This record gives sequence, C-alpha cells and structure tokens, in this order.
Amino acid sequence: EAQVTQNPRYLITVTGKKLTVTCSQNMNHEYMSWYRQDPGLGLRQIYYSMNVEVTDKGDVPEGYKVSRKEKRNFPLILESPSPNQTSLYFCASSQQGADEQFFGPGTRLTVL
Amino acid sequence: EDQVTQSPEALRLQEGESSSLNCSYTVSGLRGLFWYRQDPGKGPEFLFTLYSAGEEKEKERLKATLTKKESFLHITAPKPEDSATYLCAVPDTGTASKLTFGTGTRLQVML
Repeated sequence: EAQVTQNPRYLITVTGKKLTVTCSQNMNHEYMSWYRQDPGLGLRQIYYSMNVEVTDKGDVPEGYKVSRKEKRNFPLILESPSPNQTSLYFCASSQQGADEQFFGPGTRLTVL
Repeated sequence: EDQVTQSPEALRLQEGESSSLNCSYTVSGLRGLFWYRQDPGKGPEFLFTLYSAGEEKEKERLKATLTKKESFLHITAPKPEDSATYLCAVPDTGTASKLTFGTGTRLQVML
C-alpha cells in the first residue's frame, strides 16, 4: 500500500530536549515536505526537499532542521524545542514538485 | 507576499443543498492551484490541480474551477460524508516547490 508514515504519532516533551520526527514514503517520490498546522494559521511549510541531499526552507524554518540522505526518508529535527513549536506536524511527498502531495497521518507534538 | 484567502471560514449545509467555496490568491504567474480535503485528525487528501483560467475538474459531487484571481469548489447535492475542511494551495511566485495554503473552509453537511 502506497503511504507516508510518521513516527511518533504523539509526543509530549520538555523545553530543550532534542527530538526527531521520522517520515518515510514507499512511493519512490522525489519531493518531500514538512508542514505544521496551527488553529487559525492553517498549514505552513517548514522545509522541503526536491531530491536526495537537496533541501530548502519553507515559510517557517526557524528552530527546525531536516536532512535527506535517502530518497524514502525525510526526518524533522528539533534540536532545542520550545513551547511555540507545539503543533500538529505533517510530512508529505509527491512524484515531482509540489503537485499532488500525499500526506502522512500527522504527529501531534506538545512542548512543555 | 503571496497570499491565499479562503471563504467562508465555515459553512453548514443541508443534505442536497448545493453551494460553492472560494479561494482567492495574489500569486503572480500562477503555476497551479491545488485543492485538498482534510478530515478531522487526518492528513490532507489531494483532490484537484488546476493550471489555467477556465479549466474545470470534477470528482463525484465536487467541481473545481479557476479564474485569473480565484478558484471555486462547487459542491452539488452534498451528502454528510462530504463534511470536511477543504484547503486550497498555490506555489509561491518565486519557487514553484514552495506552497502557500489557505486556512480552509470547514464544511458541515447535515441530514
């Protein structure tokens, strides 16, 4: 089954404790992206990757890091999480570019 | 700054009562407009891509149309299972790989 998986699905952590949210897709897609979704602000793009070793900033990259060492994986790293990063995070992938993206199930992160 | 505005924020319809959702944008040189559906607690699901003014696409009770400044998602004779949040998104003026989403229209279809 074609899918985008994210782990963990739920996470409660404390300020400053480094964490990684994993994202993996099994569709051999070139494009992958991370979004955060907040009430009233909608979906905002954090980072995206056009292909292996090619990443670029979205609208809200501050406080986040990404890497794309393999085509199927695109982890999101929060090196020193803060409460304002409490949000619902989505990973997405597409065959090429930003068109027709497949979204993962989401990761709900709470930073205390 | 590229902007995408969706209206209304929320819409409640009776089953069978047709209506339209609006997505207006300020991107210059549009390189596609995307519609997604999002159910509570789930990731968005792709519906349509529109590329040029006058283009229309249909899927079951949904039809998306595009003009030079806005897009409409028409819902004909909706059913309760059409209840969801509908999102539109456009690629940025400078970088087509970077997307700006609207805040969505929350649609509720009552029996």
